[in-house]
Amino acid sequence: AQSVTQLGSHVSVSEGALVLLRCNYSSSVPPYLFWYVQYPNQGLQLLLKYTSAATLVKGINGFEAEFKKSETSFHLTKPSAHMSDAAEYFCAVSDLPRANSKLTFGKGITLSVRP
Amino acid sequence: GAVVSQHPSWVICKSGTSVKIECRSLDFQATTMFWYRQFPKQSLMLMATSNEGSKATYEQGVEKDKFLINHASLTLSTLTVTSAHPEDSSFYICSARDHQGLYGYTFGSGTRLTVV
Repeated sequence: AQSVTQLGSHVSVSEGALVLLRCNYSSSVPPYLFWYVQYPNQGLQLLLKYTSAATLVKGINGFEAEFKKSETSFHLTKPSAHMSDAAEYFCAVSDLPRANSKLTFGKGITLSVRP
Repeated sequence: GAVVSQHPSWVICKSGTSVKIECRSLDFQATTMFWYRQFPKQSLMLMATSNEGSKATYEQGVEKDKFLINHASLTLSTLTVTSAHPEDSSFYICSARDHQGLYGYTFGSGTRLTVV
C-alpha cells in the first residue's frame, strides 16, 4: 500500500518569501510522485511530477521539488511567493504508470500569502 | 495539452432526484476514469475506477447502486447520483488517464452538487 503524509494543514508566508511544503511518502515499490494545486471550486492542476528520471523536478509557476529516497520525501519549494500562489496543494503518489494505477493523495496544505 | 471537460460545474437538485455528471476527454482517449469526492477543506476521496467498456470498480464503502458510473466510450464517462439526499452534497471531480499514461492524470474542473 502507498501513502502520503503532508504535515500541517496550513502554511502562511509573506509575499516574496520562500515557500516550502512538505511531503513524505510510503511505498513498497518505486513511487511516482506528484504535486497538484487546487483553487477554490476548481479541479486539480499538475504542478510537477517525478517519474524516476531526474531527482530535482521543475514545474510550472516557478515551483520545484526534489525526490530524496533516503528521506522518503518530495518537498515542494518556490524561491519567492506570489499572491497568486495562495491555494490548496496536494501531494500524491502512484505505483506504476499503468492506465488504472490509482493516485493516493495527502490531506492537502493550504498556502496563504501575506502582502 | 490533455483536457478533460466536466459538466455541469454546479448543480442544485431536490432530494430524491437523480443527477448526472459528465466528463469528456477532448484530445485523448481516456482508457481509465477515476471519480473522486471532496468534502470542504478535505482531500480527494477515490470513489471508483472505470475502464472503458467494463464495469466500474468501487472503493470500499461506496454504494455502487447509488453512484452509477458509465464508461461506454473512450472519450466519455458519466457519474449518476441516484435518489440524491443532502448528505450527497459535495464536490465531485473526475480524472482521466490514457492507456500508456502519456498524459498523466488529467482532472476535470469539478462539479459542486447541492441537494436540497
